Amino acid sequence: SQQGEEDPQALSIQEGENATMNCSYKTSINNLQWYRQNSGRGLVHLILIRSNEREKHSGRLRVTLDTSKKSSSLLITASRAADTASYFCATDGTAGNMLTFGGGTRLMVKP
Amino acid sequence: ETGVTQTPRHLVMGMTNKKSLKCEQHLGHNAMYWYKQSAKKPLELMFVYNFKEQTENNSVPSRFSPECPNSSHLFLHLHTLQPEDSALYLCASSPPMTGGYNQPQHFGDGTRLSIL
Repeated sequence: SQQGEEDPQALSIQEGENATMNCSYKTSINNLQWYRQNSGRGLVHLILIRSNEREKHSGRLRVTLDTSKKSSSLLITASRAADTASYFCATDGTAGNMLTFGGGTRLMVKP
Repeated sequence: ETGVTQTPRHLVMGMTNKKSLKCEQHLGHNAMYWYKQSAKKPLELMFVYNFKEQTENNSVPSRFSPECPNSSHLFLHLHTLQPEDSALYLCASSPPMTGGYNQPQHFGDGTRLSIL
């Protein structure tokens, strides 16, 4: 079974609204990363949060991590049409420099 | 521009063909990865190379053969593929782990592979 699972699978909002995506995972982690993928392009790293951190900000992005619930959330504030993309969480699993990705949340921001 | 370049961007091949996918990174990283991204499935890790040595083969069929001649280049040789192998193949690179922590991965834009 996959390590990270995003929720919801798809999200449609109006420009200016906030978008929240959630990620749940099953095993212990050292860090959790969020990535974005525009249609037809590769993944772009957004933010990394370590297991001893609870919250992290980067511009309009806010990531939280709750290791007791094995969950993370990505909040995009004041969304823009250009934020339309798929968003993935990735966990580092048990060994090595491997990441396990979730199925992603497809976000559509309507102008 | 992510610093990771994949060629070709699109590839259509028959099941009996042999082709290769190429990945090149200009970031000075020493870990490189191949992923498979199929519709409605999570990104699947295929191979990991650290300092040119293969450190992970995620039960990938032998019709996929990776090659890493140096830390900047990664190839995926394809032969006798099946229709279910049609997917987007993504290459990524990263710095080595630091203090036991994984580092962010930098992805290319992928090769869209279609098997006829």
